[in-house]
Amino acid sequence: EAGVTQFPSHSVIEKGQTVTLRCDPISGHDNLYWYRRVMGKEIKFLLHFVKESKQDESGMPNNRFLAERTGGTYSTLKVQPAELEDSGVYFCASSLDGIQPQHFGDGTRLSIL
Amino acid sequence: RKEVEQDPGPFNVPEGATVAFNCTYSNSASQSFFWYRQDCRKEPKLLMSVYSSGNEDGRFTAQLNRASQYISLLIRDSKLSDSATYLCVVKGSGGSNYKLTFGKGTLLTVNP
Repeated sequence: EAGVTQFPSHSVIEKGQTVTLRCDPISGHDNLYWYRRVMGKEIKFLLHFVKESKQDESGMPNNRFLAERTGGTYSTLKVQPAELEDSGVYFCASSLDGIQPQHFGDGTRLSIL
Repeated sequence: RKEVEQDPGPFNVPEGATVAFNCTYSNSASQSFFWYRQDCRKEPKLLMSVYSSGNEDGRFTAQLNRASQYISLLIRDSKLSDSATYLCVVKGSGGSNYKLTFGKGTLLTVNP
């Protein structure tokens, strides 16, 4: 069974540019989560999808971040325009339901210059 | 106060040593508790869930004290391959049943 895959693994962009991160959850997992770790801090929750619906986006930092999951399969997280403080590692996780363990992808390392 | 606080570490121990990690959480309504491990530049991986009665998986023992809001992980007979960052994780706090709340992690290095 393929795990959670994220693309790209690394992204380096300049302040003000736009970046889109992609996450492919484990097949059949309705629940998809985005988390991020900024340098020196703990991993923090961003948002949670059940199928294509956003269940909880309380962790999204501001309106420069937009997450979508059209069709309830893969998800994208777009940052527009990127700011220096957005640098960090963005993790995606998925689970079969809200009770089962969350499985994480390797993350996307985002660097804003 | 942080929602989940861990020993800051790092811990450096010789092979075969016993090492203990401690963690406290602030939200008494938290429902589920876990230890994850994260290797350098890799994803967090579930090590074990933590139950009120305490649970053991081989060399690993996890304990939960709900009254004290305290979680622990004990590793016995540590191996070189145990070197990683250990993350204390709580689920079901902050008004959400599903989101995971992480501690900063404690880095363990097991030396030959």
